[in-house]
Amino acid sequence: DSGVTQTPKHLITATGQRVTLRCSPRSGDLSVYWYQQSLDQGLQFLIQYYNGEERAKGNILERFSAQQFPDLHSELNLSSLELGDSALYFCASSAQGGSTEAFFGQGTRLTVV
Amino acid sequence: SQQGEEDPQALSIQEGENATMNCSYKTSINNLQWYRQNSGRGLVHLILIRSNEREKHSGRLRVTLDTSKKSSSLLITASRAADTASYFCATVHGSSNTGKLIFGQGTTLQVKP
Repeated sequence: DSGVTQTPKHLITATGQRVTLRCSPRSGDLSVYWYQQSLDQGLQFLIQYYNGEERAKGNILERFSAQQFPDLHSELNLSSLELGDSALYFCASSAQGGSTEAFFGQGTRLTVV
Repeated sequence: SQQGEEDPQALSIQEGENATMNCSYKTSINNLQWYRQNSGRGLVHLILIRSNEREKHSGRLRVTLDTSKKSSSLLITASRAADTASYFCATVHGSSNTGKLIFGQGTTLQVKP
């Protein structure tokens, strides 16, 4: 158990809909990262928050947004969903920035139908 | 975009044999990390090697890093059926203070009992 909790584990939704994925980082970790894993793109970095502030942005679509709350949990919002958004979405947390390992949650498997 | 290339893409060995996976990357790094993923589940951190380190051990794992060749290798000795998984290398950019990971496409390892 990594200590990172993601909910829900599975999500099936229709095209055009909006969903929210939730992540609770390991106790004490200030950094939260979101990654997308798909068959064609592999593991892609989406966005990072550090202590409530956006720290880094990857190839995150404009239809996607995230935030980190004062209690350090984070949410990833995906809107106007398309079939191609079907993927595994992982949250990871780390104590600080670049020099420490990241701990991953079990992921949310999103299926858009 | 993915930074790393992993080789081989797939590896099948007998229990007890050693498994070697290679990773190449393109830009200067702060550190390189190896992760394991069991089928469709979360990533488990295996080992982190910093840019000023050349070799690191953890149990049956041995990681080497050659920054002049921009490459790393992961050796799993005396493999077990339970080692069957996908293995990913991931890099943290040299000048990055974010810790965002850039993943390779992974090596799928099958260890036959």
